Amino acid sequence: NAGVTQTPKFQVLKTGQSMTLQCAQDMNHNSMYWYRQDPGMGLRLIYYSASEGTTDKGEVPNGYNVSRLNKREFSLRLESAAPSQTSVYFCASSEILGQSSYNEQFFGPGTRLTVL
Amino acid sequence: AQSVTQLDSHVSVSEGTPVLLRCNYSSSYSPSLFWYVQHPNKGLQLLLKYTSAATLVKGINGFEAEFKKSETSFHLTKPSAHMSDAAEYFCVVSDRWTNAGKSTFGDGTTLTVKP
Repeated sequence: NAGVTQTPKFQVLKTGQSMTLQCAQDMNHNSMYWYRQDPGMGLRLIYYSASEGTTDKGEVPNGYNVSRLNKREFSLRLESAAPSQTSVYFCASSEILGQSSYNEQFFGPGTRLTVL
Repeated sequence: AQSVTQLDSHVSVSEGTPVLLRCNYSSSYSPSLFWYVQHPNKGLQLLLKYTSAATLVKGINGFEAEFKKSETSFHLTKPSAHMSDAAEYFCVVSDRWTNAGKSTFGDGTTLTVKP
């Protein structure tokens, strides 16, 4: 059981370049999330997917797009990277206990992205 | 709307002394509350969770937290700090009946343990 995996672990981009961050989970969870972590600001939700086939905006969605490829995979795309997107990105998954009651989230190891 | 405030950005204790990390929350309905730990350059690991069962919740590595609805608090404690407890700690609230499972994270508390 690998849990939540993310690729790549590190990435350096130039302003204007695009890239996709990959995330996969093997726990058969319905819900998946993308966060960014900046110093002193905790984790902020970028996008989430409550179930396969659905995605929704979080707190800081501007400049990002997501795809829920199947139940296992949830990717995050930066179409035109900006220095303000320099951050650590975490993917997470969780299971719905029942009628909107949510269990804890399981996190991947993170992707450290630098945009020059 | 839900929110969470971690009252201390940094806490420093000596090894063997008690740890107290404070968290206040705001939630319209019945909240689920969590504490996560993050060691340097690592992902987040769940310490403990409250989901409307017992108000005193025990977690891993000797940590526990008490849900106090009247004070809207969920403080994290440990009787005796160990050097390995040095890390960043996050308090998290998730509204059980709204927000489609979205969680709100506190800004984190950095715990330093002195030998």
